[in-house]
Amino acid sequence: EVQLVESGGGLVQPGGSLRLSCAASGFTFSTYSMNWVRQAPGKGLEWVSYISSSSSTIYYADSVKGRFTISRDNAKNSLYLQMNSLRAEDTAVYYCAREAVSPLDYWGQGTLVTVSS
Amino acid sequence: QSVLTQPPSASGTPGQRVTISCSGSSSNIGSNNVYWYQQLPGTAPKLLIYRNNQRPSGVPDRFSGSKSGTSASLAISGLRSEDEADYYCAAWDDSLSVQLVFGGGTKLTVL
Repeated sequence: EVQLVESGGGLVQPGGSLRLSCAASGFTFSTYSMNWVRQAPGKGLEWVSYISSSSSTIYYADSVKGRFTISRDNAKNSLYLQMNSLRAEDTAVYYCAREAVSPLDYWGQGTLVTVSS
Repeated sequence: QSVLTQPPSASGTPGQRVTISCSGSSSNIGSNNVYWYQQLPGTAPKLLIYRNNQRPSGVPDRFSGSKSGTSASLAISGLRSEDEADYYCAAWDDSLSVQLVFGGGTKLTVL
């Protein structure tokens, strides 16, 4: 069974940093591209970043470019999102999702990031 | 302001057929596949339709997708109370840089 479990969320002050992790199991992680998607409270979905299976291709949303860094460790079956210079508008539930027939085939349950002083 | 445009709300009675539209442009829907996701209250989104009109295993055939030009639509026939959810369309956009864009979401209410 495919499982994606996010962790690392929490309360952080504006300008601060946070690193999210996504632990994958139930599939061969190293062969799948992955995405991060976020959802602000009461709002719609917003794609954040994409990374290919070998990390050779990476994309970012304009809203996070230069502040967020996506990475992965295939040996540890883990996906990461390093978030720097956080702003209030980055407050959201962050989901990791696996790409297969669609960019977001399977989703984790999400981890809440709150940026506030 | 979402890149893809969806109606904010839709509604229907049990057994009815409802459709949700998704409008984009040549750089997203016009040249790439459309995906639909269902988000039940308090849960993570789930894949509903891929490659414009394909259903993953386990998704009832009451759900169907279509695409024409720069627009797409999701149809739900035989509406059931458990279909009450938020629905999002998505597509890759390759205008300036490659980005995955979403519609703003449509809240479906089963009356």
